[in-house]
Amino acid sequence: TQLLEQSPQFLSIQEGENLTVYCNSSSVFSSLQWYRQEPGEGPVLLVTVVTGGEVKKLKRLTFQFGDARKDSSLHITAAQPGDTGLYLCALNTGNQFYFGTGTSLTVIP
Amino acid sequence: GAVVSQHPSWVICKSGTSVKIECRSLDFQATTMFWYRQFPKQSLMLMATSNEGSKATYEQGVEKDKFLINHASLTLSTLTVTSAHPEDSSFYICSARGAVAWGEVYEQYFGPGTRLTVT
Repeated sequence: TQLLEQSPQFLSIQEGENLTVYCNSSSVFSSLQWYRQEPGEGPVLLVTVVTGGEVKKLKRLTFQFGDARKDSSLHITAAQPGDTGLYLCALNTGNQFYFGTGTSLTVIP
Repeated sequence: GAVVSQHPSWVICKSGTSVKIECRSLDFQATTMFWYRQFPKQSLMLMATSNEGSKATYEQGVEKDKFLINHASLTLSTLTVTSAHPEDSSFYICSARGAVAWGEVYEQYFGPGTRLTVT
């Protein structure tokens, strides 16, 4: 059972373009996390959002938690080839930890 | 930050044999560890939650007799793939839950993964 649906599943863009990845659920969450994974490695935590409507920025990455805490988005400005990877949202409640369906991003130089 | 290691990083085995993958938390004690399976360009699928000293809780559709999980100590959990077949070939990742929570969120520390190829 996938609690977290991400869209798009695959995304291939040119360097310099902007993009947005979405993470949606029918359930309300107390918090949500975003991870980035490169091939052959484990996921790396990017951010945790806990408050409805919260916006966090990490350099060119902007993360938003929906007002109802059922969805989140990740916006990348001026994408670079180094941004290529698998982006995953995740539900982390201590005893439960589930990843979203994932978005595979390729940034073409 | 906390470090989680996995061993081996990659393994090739023949069909019908068993393979054991180790997950260790190197500088903290982890009462809970998670095991995931991942196919190329897909998300990580939770296989089971492992609690120290007790039986693992398996996700629906995961065969407990095929994927044996042992969490004998606070720093070590093992996943044994028994009677492996080519369809078991995958990337297996473990994570360890941190001991300290802020709010309701515990830190999750991920291992680097183990690439299993069954021939």
